[in-house]
Amino acid sequence: DTEVTQTPKHLVMGMTNKKSLKCEQHMGHRAMYWYKQKAKKPPELMFVYSYEKLSINESVPSRFSPECPNSSLLNLHLHALQPEDSALYLCASSRRLAGTSTDTQYFGPGTRLTVL
Amino acid sequence: GNSVTQMEGPVTLSEEAFLTINCTYTATGYPSLFWYVQYPGEGLQLLLKATKADDKGSNKGFEATYRKETTSFHLEKGSVQVSDSAVYFCALYYNQGGKLIFGQGTELSVKP
Repeated sequence: DTEVTQTPKHLVMGMTNKKSLKCEQHMGHRAMYWYKQKAKKPPELMFVYSYEKLSINESVPSRFSPECPNSSLLNLHLHALQPEDSALYLCASSRRLAGTSTDTQYFGPGTRLTVL
Repeated sequence: GNSVTQMEGPVTLSEEAFLTINCTYTATGYPSLFWYVQYPGEGLQLLLKATKADDKGSNKGFEATYRKETTSFHLEKGSVQVSDSAVYFCALYYNQGGKLIFGQGTELSVKP
């Protein structure tokens, strides 16, 4: 089973709202990722958690705040977003085994976010 | 730096036609290579992968061979179906950065 689940599927929010995106995997993976994808473009990496610690932050604005409560869950807290933040937000996970030179990421279905 | 270049789309084919989507890469060391597929309105699905030179990845009739001498990982399928219509992303993973580097994506449209 290589399933990553994301909720909600769709989200519409105003620029003053606070909302959260959720991601869950039960594959025992120890790395989890947030990506942002605009239409007809490849995903852009935002954050990486490895063994529940933030290991990569790709200079993402502070209005996006990630959280990894445990090894199965990943949240993305949203506050004071701009209309240009409207996009598909994808979560992914991978095994991240120490000492190996390869790692395969498995993606969730995404949350389509619209900021009004 | 590390990068992936894919042929530009959209690619339009008739059902049962032969498909090739070109992918070349630039990387230091020995990356792993992947093809992901994104159907309309969905997330990315892993289609196939190869982790070392001369490896062939295959799945659902799609194949790609990791060619180190030409730094390529072209995707092929012998007979496409309408249901194969999607965007295909070639990607590489290199352990030093721990990141997945994507190509720009190739949109495939298969007509009945």
